[in-house]
Amino acid sequence: DGGITQSPKYLFRKEGQNVTLSCEQNLNHDAMYWYRQDPGQGLRLIYYSQIVNDFQKGDIAEGYSVSREKKESFPLTVTSAQKNPTAFYLCASSIWEGGNYGYTFGSGTRLTVV
Amino acid sequence: QKEVEQDPGPLSVPEGAIVSLNCTYSNSAFQYFMWYRQYSRKGPELLMYTYSSGNKEDGRFTAQVDKSSKYISLFIRDSQPSDSATYLCAMYYGNNRLAFGKGNQVVVIP
Repeated sequence: DGGITQSPKYLFRKEGQNVTLSCEQNLNHDAMYWYRQDPGQGLRLIYYSQIVNDFQKGDIAEGYSVSREKKESFPLTVTSAQKNPTAFYLCASSIWEGGNYGYTFGSGTRLTVV
Repeated sequence: QKEVEQDPGPLSVPEGAIVSLNCTYSNSAFQYFMWYRQYSRKGPELLMYTYSSGNKEDGRFTAQVDKSSKYISLFIRDSQPSDSATYLCAMYYGNNRLAFGKGNQVVVIP
């Protein structure tokens, strides 16, 4: 079945640590996105990528980094510079053609700072 | 440019009631309008997608778009406890980008 796989489902980070969240898709979508979701704040865009080896900052990119070396993969690193990383992180991909529009989301990673 | 307003207040309704959700927007460039449903601790899933002004039905769900008023709505008829979720509106503004509302938490009480 085609879809987006995020791992791990739960992640705990110690103060000062970098952690990497995985996002893999087998939908053959060109565009991929990372969102952060906090209660009452909706979805906030961290980074997005329209094509391999290219990505752009979203609204809240500070303290995060990404790479897009393969079409299928778009990992997100939460660095120690991110002061409040505890949140629910969602990866998505999209295709905009042939009447098909919209994002497909993964099931999310819940990151907690301990 | 991509402002979407959605009152995030929780909504509790008895089973069988009609649920009414809405979003407003200010950017006339928004082209496509979507509703996503998100269950607790899960990713959002596309529920409805519309382009033109008017109504679109899919089973118990109706999406309504009024481009002249910059207003979209989602109606759920004969609501079920399984409809309890957060509903997010989303609007496409080009360049493979969506603008999201903050989401409405809906609780259907048996």
